Amino acid sequence: QQQVKQSPQSLIVQKGGISIINCAYENTAFDYFPWYQQFPGKGPALLIAIRPDVSEKKEGRFTISFNKSAKQFSLHIMDSQPGDSATYFCAAGAGNNRKLIWGLGTSLAVNP
Amino acid sequence: SAVISQKPSRDICQRGTSLTIQCQVDSQVTMMFWYRQQPGQSLTLIATANQGSEATYESGFVIDKFPISRPNLTFSTLTVSNMSPEDSSIYLCSVETGMNTEAFFGQGTRLTVV
Repeated sequence: QQQVKQSPQSLIVQKGGISIINCAYENTAFDYFPWYQQFPGKGPALLIAIRPDVSEKKEGRFTISFNKSAKQFSLHIMDSQPGDSATYFCAAGAGNNRKLIWGLGTSLAVNP
Repeated sequence: SAVISQKPSRDICQRGTSLTIQCQVDSQVTMMFWYRQQPGQSLTLIATANQGSEATYESGFVIDKFPISRPNLTFSTLTVSNMSPEDSSIYLCSVETGMNTEAFFGQGTRLTVV
């Protein structure tokens, strides 16, 4: 049972465009929602994270939008660059249970 | 933040043998995690390793196959025992620091079993 559903599986965007990746969760106990970026041959690296007390968080070109009632959160990459080409994972965590539940990942390709 | 060194970065092993993967962190951390990741796939948690206690394994993973040591707050090992080609994967060490549940990852160990 996939507790965090991520879409799309793959995404192709032109340079300068907006990349949008969506995740939906089921467990209302989740209270931490990070996005990780992974380049080939590397471990995942934290990109940005949000908690349910805010609906949006922005760091540079990366924005998380969070909809608590819909149990959905999304990653927006503004002005996408070829260097953003990577696999992106959403995840969710709950309180004192420090394990993260991972989405299946989105392979993003930004064409020059 | 935390810097994680994972060794080896890759290995090719014969079936039936065992490989021990080392994870060294540059700071003391309470929780360490071991993941498996098939190329192009998501991360699957193998176990959580806390210093001073037995590792907690996820469903589908057992201690006899994946014994874990956690001798101190900066180091852990994962052994993949009696390997078969199905064990070919990327194994990742992860640590969590602070109260933000932020997880840091090593670069991974790419294991191929032949």
